[in-house]
Amino acid sequence: NAGVTQTPKFRILKIGQSMTLQCTQDMNHNYMYWYRQDPGMGLKLIYYSVGAGITDKGEVPNGYNVSRSTTEDFPLRLELAAPSQTSVYFCASSLHPPGAHDYEQYFGPGTRLTVT
Amino acid sequence: LAKTTQPISMDSYEGQEVNITCSHNNIATNDYITWYQQFPSQGPRFIIQGYKTKVTNEVASLFIPADRKSSTLSLPRVSLSDTAVYYCLVVSGYSTLTFGKGTMLLVSP
Repeated sequence: NAGVTQTPKFRILKIGQSMTLQCTQDMNHNYMYWYRQDPGMGLKLIYYSVGAGITDKGEVPNGYNVSRSTTEDFPLRLELAAPSQTSVYFCASSLHPPGAHDYEQYFGPGTRLTVT
Repeated sequence: LAKTTQPISMDSYEGQEVNITCSHNNIATNDYITWYQQFPSQGPRFIIQGYKTKVTNEVASLFIPADRKSSTLSLPRVSLSDTAVYYCLVVSGYSTLTFGKGTMLLVSP
């Protein structure tokens, strides 16, 4: 299994541009997540999904959109990029929901995004 | 929501045992305690999860006292490759999926 894969690895955007960060998992996990990690900080939850067609906001959703048309894919869309969105973005998935016994998230390698 | 507090950084030498303590005074009855490890330029990786007493796996042990207001991650005989950031999370739902700054462990030769 490849686990959780993310593309691209790096990207530079100009202010106002848009882009989609791709995330795919091959573990048949229902639960998927997007986080951002600013330099020297922990991770904050942007959006999550509990299954195909179902998404919900996390702690910092403003400026982002998501969709979940299949179990495998969970793309994150940035509209009108701003310098404040410069960060490293991690996608993750889990077999169980948070709070369950044996809850474990599997993370992708991240996408480093710079908005200038 | 159970807020967690852990040391910003710790130093150790190869071969030593390292114990990282996390406090979570407001932990709720159904909350689990989970630890992750993150290397530079990588996503976090699950280490261990526990509810009470002691849990051990092939890489670490987790000690949780009876009152569950703290937990200690124990890494036996660390090596240079254990240099990483370690996060303590108390997970009870989606609103608790926030990773703090974690503990930066530096292992020296």
